[in-house]
Amino acid sequence: GENVEQHPSTLSVQEGDSAVIKCTYSDSASNYFPWYKQELGKRPQLIIDIRSNVGEKKDQRIAVTLNKTAKHFSLHITETQPEDSAVYFCAASIGETSGSRLTFGEGTQLTVNP
Amino acid sequence: NAGVMQNPRHLVRRRGQEARLRCSPVKGHSHVYWYRQLPEEGLKFMVYLQKENIIDESGMPKERFSAEFPKEGPSILRIQQVVRGDSAAYFCASSPSPSVNTEAFFGQGTRLTVV
Repeated sequence: GENVEQHPSTLSVQEGDSAVIKCTYSDSASNYFPWYKQELGKRPQLIIDIRSNVGEKKDQRIAVTLNKTAKHFSLHITETQPEDSAVYFCAASIGETSGSRLTFGEGTQLTVNP
Repeated sequence: NAGVMQNPRHLVRRRGQEARLRCSPVKGHSHVYWYRQLPEEGLKFMVYLQKENIIDESGMPKERFSAEFPKEGPSILRIQQVVRGDSAAYFCASSPSPSVNTEAFFGQGTRLTVV
């Protein structure tokens, strides 16, 4: 089955700096890659996603890149703010027969220091 | 995605009791996924259900765990004879179809504590 690895497990940045989180996946059939933000005690919330027919996607301060050949994708947050502090999860999905079943990475605890 | 409703939000059970977790998907969604999140870990897939059918239960422990999604009513994740290791947050997600690249909407989760 699919295996998703995520690095780093913790990331501390100063407010205004950029943060980058990287994930690799094992199943070349995976074609949907969402990123979730989870605040303490709350549900995961989708912040951005990318599909396999796209190499990059941007939404304001958040961008995601996908390298299908290398089977890795990354989350980039620019101009970080203290409210960006949370755990971020990458995920991969094969879709079709798997529906929206997601395989998650282990998460990155991002801390943005004021 | 506030439409996925899970209850209870918090559940305390003694070892050996049964836990029943309920999930009502977004209106119109017929596909439900259950995930388990152990403390300070990622979410792990458990089971994927459509109305009245289990599509993929490859993530479910072989014993004590069962899930259903009846024609009427919410999806139920049932854990029999709970043990301390079952303490976790259980999240339900729903999607409208099994089509490729469909976003899954998560509920607020049920935090199960086994004492």
